Amino acid sequence: SQQGEEDPQALSIQEGENATMNCSYKTSINNLQWYRQNSGRGLVHLILIRSNEREKHSGRLRVTLDTSKKSSSLLITASRAADTASYFCATVPENSGGSNYKLTFGKGTLLTVNP
Amino acid sequence: GAGVSQTPSNKVTEKGKYVELRCDPISGHTALYWYRQSLGQGPEFLIYFQGTGAADDSGLPNDRFFAVRPEGSVSTLKIQRTERGDSAVYLCASSKTGVGGYTFGSGTRLTVV
Repeated sequence: SQQGEEDPQALSIQEGENATMNCSYKTSINNLQWYRQNSGRGLVHLILIRSNEREKHSGRLRVTLDTSKKSSSLLITASRAADTASYFCATVPENSGGSNYKLTFGKGTLLTVNP
Repeated sequence: GAGVSQTPSNKVTEKGKYVELRCDPISGHTALYWYRQSLGQGPEFLIYFQGTGAADDSGLPNDRFFAVRPEGSVSTLKIQRTERGDSAVYLCASSKTGVGGYTFGSGTRLTVV
């Protein structure tokens, strides 16, 4: 079953613009991760934010987490054509019964950055 | 190796046949995971290995699916009596511990005709 839901399902922007994708989830989490996938194949881990963190930065990426709203956002600044990909959020449940390893993914946001 | 390697990258098989999908994780990564991704969906968990043992196989859809990791490194996902609904990209990932960012392979695209 899918825990996360990304919004929007698809996003098309011009190079240089910022892209914001949102993720909502249902149950308490240990951490939330964002992944990128090109052409429906391997996923690349972008960033991990723990439940006690509110914001993290990595290069042009900024992730926020609001556990009270059970939501996260991924901001890509100054987008490039090479950022075109699908972006997924994935949650790891709060430690319960040792199942804190299992990623539950959303359906993803397809980002298209036009040159 | 430098990354997670999955072979074959593509596999076409006839309905009812048996297939094996291989995953070679990053050296030293004790945790290994298999996920399945259907078209237009996010990956879904199948099975998790810690070392040689399957710590959680709750995501395997039925008893036609089985996975092994006999020496704690390479893993093989085995599907018996394949059905058209098994068509998907099968992704393998590994990590140093059971928690944290995972490194995924490029996946095996399985097509059952």
